[in-house]
Amino acid sequence: QSVLTQPPSASGTPGQTVTISCSGSGSNIGRNTVNWYLQVPGTAPSLLIYNDNQRPSGVPDRFSGSKSGTSISLAISGLQSEDEADYYCAAWDDGLNGWVFGGGTKLTVL
Amino acid sequence: QVQMVQSGAEVKKPGASVKVSCQTSGYAFTLYDIHWVRQASGQGLEWMGWMDSNTDHTVYAPKFQGRVSMTRDTSKRTAYMELSSLTSEDTAVYYCVRLVRKVIVYFLDSWGQGTLVTVSS
Repeated sequence: QSVLTQPPSASGTPGQTVTISCSGSGSNIGRNTVNWYLQVPGTAPSLLIYNDNQRPSGVPDRFSGSKSGTSISLAISGLQSEDEADYYCAAWDDGLNGWVFGGGTKLTVL
Repeated sequence: QVQMVQSGAEVKKPGASVKVSCQTSGYAFTLYDIHWVRQASGQGLEWMGWMDSNTDHTVYAPKFQGRVSMTRDTSKRTAYMELSSLTSEDTAVYYCVRLVRKVIVYFLDSWGQGTLVTVSS
């Protein structure tokens, strides 16, 4: 059972905008910034968003983050087939004194 | 560029120990903490703990306390994670990850390629 809650799956057609939610609590998302990771099956996760809504260099601006209280959302606009992957949210938890992750959302591009 | 290169896959028997290495390059090794995260097949990510690469201070997740040891060799720019008393529940891919701190913002940015540890009799 993951500390952060994500929907197990999401889907969209090319060009659409898809949103993936991540819900936590006051000891993690409510107090610390959230990061998002993309993982293509069989490979290591890669950083997609940090500090709630910042993109590392090389990540297209089609990816954006939006936070409110103890929840955060990742939006992917102009959906492309190569966006098919698993997406994980992560935050530091002050109560557990460690990183906590969402269970992951498998994105399918129809 | 930053690189984290891990040791190869391991097959261990129940009760044994495994030691995974993570050789780094492209940055000042002692300026960044190393965290370890594991992922069982088809499952999510699980944080195991971290090590201060400069002081070798460690913090372990309660679940692994007493069974995990994180160390480093600064001359080789390499971090190690050793897990003992293995059971089939420890079968997973183990990742080393670099932590970046920017004032009050911190995030895990560069990941190793992963090391598959299989525990089987």
